[in-house]
Amino acid sequence: ETGVTQSPTHLIKTRGQQVTLRCSSQSGHNTVSWYQQALGQGPQFIFQYYREEENGRGNFPPRFSGLQFPNYSSELNVNALELDDSALYLCASSLDHDRGNTEAFFGQGTRLTVV
Amino acid sequence: LAKTTQPISMDSYEGQEVNITCSHNNIATNDYITWYQQFPSQGPRFIIQGYKTKVTNEVASLFIPADRKSSTLSLPRVSLSDTAVYYCLVGAWMDSSYKLIFGSGTRLLVRP
Repeated sequence: ETGVTQSPTHLIKTRGQQVTLRCSSQSGHNTVSWYQQALGQGPQFIFQYYREEENGRGNFPPRFSGLQFPNYSSELNVNALELDDSALYLCASSLDHDRGNTEAFFGQGTRLTVV
Repeated sequence: LAKTTQPISMDSYEGQEVNITCSHNNIATNDYITWYQQFPSQGPRFIIQGYKTKVTNEVASLFIPADRKSSTLSLPRVSLSDTAVYYCLVGAWMDSSYKLIFGSGTRLLVRP
């Protein structure tokens, strides 16, 4: 049990729709990162937020956007869903003083299926 | 361009030591190198982290050479429950943006 909670656990959406995934960080953690993990692949970095500001972004189009709230919980929004967006979406929280790859605690993920 | 490379799979037997190496070039100068373990349908779990030389904790050791272009995760005396996928994670600056890069993962199978 990492203390990082993601909701929902599973979701089915139709191509073209929009989706919002949520993540509650471990208490006291001020940094959250989001990843997309396709079946059989390693996690792909989407973006990272540090104290409500985006401070790192992977190679994902602008239709992937995010927010971090004052309590450090976070949302991942994906617009205009495509079939290839079907994947496990993971969030990870950590306590970073600045940009950095420090010990992160992952949630169980949200399994998104786009049909 | 930062890139990570790991062996796709490894086989071992219970009680043996397993070493998994990740090659990573052009990583961020001041960043740690981190290793995670992942079981099916679960999020990755932190194993160990280091900056350079050698780090040891209760479950693993991590060896990082001075040039930081690779790292080796060492699991002493593996058991069946260590069967999982192991990932290295590094940070890098690319296209003026900071990115976190997972390796492609090494699937470790521990046999009785």
